[in-house]
Amino acid sequence: NAGVMQNPRHLVRRRGQEARLRCSPMKGHSHVYWYRQLPEEGLKFMVYLQKENIIDESGMPKERFSAEFPKEGPSILRIQQVVRGDSAAYFCASSPQVGDFYNEQFFGPGTRLTVL
Amino acid sequence: TQLLEQSPQFLSIQEGENLTVYCNSSSVFSSLQWYRQEPGEGPVLLVTVVTGGEVKKLKRLTFQFGDARKDSSLHITAAQPGDTGLYLCAGRSYSGAGSYQLTFGKGTKLSVIP
Repeated sequence: NAGVMQNPRHLVRRRGQEARLRCSPMKGHSHVYWYRQLPEEGLKFMVYLQKENIIDESGMPKERFSAEFPKEGPSILRIQQVVRGDSAAYFCASSPQVGDFYNEQFFGPGTRLTVL
Repeated sequence: TQLLEQSPQFLSIQEGENLTVYCNSSSVFSSLQWYRQEPGEGPVLLVTVVTGGEVKKLKRLTFQFGDARKDSSLHITAAQPGDTGLYLCAGRSYSGAGSYQLTFGKGTKLSVIP
């Protein structure tokens, strides 16, 4: 079974460009979570999505950031007009269902975004 | 805002020694998870503890959830170089925005010297 897949693994952008990060959840998982990890910081929750729905985006900056999880295809985290402070590792996690009390999330390898 | 404080932040020990890592909060969590993260990779789930006072063992690793479900500890017996990595604790709680969220600590970076 393939795990959570993220691409690209490394992404370099200049200030003002757009960054698109992709996440394919584990087979059978319909819930996707995005986290950001800054150097020497813990993972910070950004957004939780189900297919075609944003359930909780309370951790995502109001401007420049957006996320989607279409009916077909991977989940996309989009950052417009990137700034140096956006440089971080972005992790995607997936889980099979919300009703499970444990809500175990399985993480992808991450995308390392560097803004020049 | 819920916070999870992990201590120590860094730990360097000799192979064969025992160690304990702590995860503390003033908030109550419905469950708590421990992850291990290798450089350049995503976190890998080690264990989930749910009940106050619960103890779980995974080979040489012992995890304990505090009675009040606000804190947890990870104890490693006879540490091996393969235990080297970043250990993260994460508490699960209702966000108030329609979902349960995981709040992560900053982690303990463990280095086991052969």
